Amino acid sequence: QVQLQESGPGLVKPSQTLSLTCTVSGGSISSGSYYWSWIRQPAGKGLEWIGRIYTSGSTNYNPSLKSRVTISVDTSKNQFSLKLSSVTAADTAVYYCARAEGYSSSSVYDYWGQGTLVTVSS
Amino acid sequence: QSVLTQPPSVSAAPGQKVTISCSGSSSNIGNNYVSWYQQLPGTAPKLLIYDNNKRPSGIPDRFSGSKSGTSATLGITGLQTGDEADYYCGTWDSSLSAGNVVFGGGTKLTVL
Repeated sequence: QVQLQESGPGLVKPSQTLSLTCTVSGGSISSGSYYWSWIRQPAGKGLEWIGRIYTSGSTNYNPSLKSRVTISVDTSKNQFSLKLSSVTAADTAVYYCARAEGYSSSSVYDYWGQGTLVTVSS
Repeated sequence: QSVLTQPPSVSAAPGQKVTISCSGSSSNIGNNYVSWYQQLPGTAPKLLIYDNNKRPSGIPDRFSGSKSGTSATLGITGLQTGDEADYYCGTWDSSLSAGNVVFGGGTKLTVL
C-alpha cells in the first residue's frame, strides 16, 4: 500500500521560499509510470493544482504559479519536493502531495498525503 | 474563479438521489477524462470516479459518473449521512501549450 507524507515548515515569512518534501513509502518512486504532484487548498476554498514531476524527471506546472515553482525528485530517498518562491499571504494553504496515473493528461489521483498547513506570515 | 463550474451546494434527504454537475469547455472536459473526488471534513480528497465513469476498488456502486460534451455529472443514490462532504471534479486542460490539471470549485453536499 503506497503512502505519502508531507513534511516541512508550517510557517514561512513573506517573500521567502516555501519548501516541502513528500516521502513515499510502500513502493519505489522511480518504478512504474506515475506523476508525483503537489496540490494545495486555502482554508474554506477549492483545490488548486500546483504541478507534477514524472518518474523520468520531466515537470509540468500550473501556468499561474510557473514562475515561482520548482518540483524535484530524489530517488535515493524516495522523495519529491516543492519549492515556491516569493510567497505572500495568498500562498497560505494546506499543501497535499499526491500520485497520479502516468498518462500525460491524467487527473486520476489515487493516493494522497494527509496534507500539511503552511502559513505565510511575519 | 475555477475553470470548471460546479454548484456551490446541493442537498437531499437520506435514501434519496442527488446529482452534482461539472461544466467546462472543449479544452478540458470536452476532450479529456473527468475524475471526481470526495473530501470529508478535515481529510484529504479521495478518488471516487475516474475516466468519466469508472469506480476504484472499494467505492460502492451508489456512486456513478457520466460525461456528455463539455459537462460531467456525479450521481449518488441511497444517500447516507456519511456522504456529507465536499465533492470536486477534475480534468486535464489543454488550453495552454503545456496543459495542466484543473478542478471545479467544489460542491458541498448536505444530507438533510
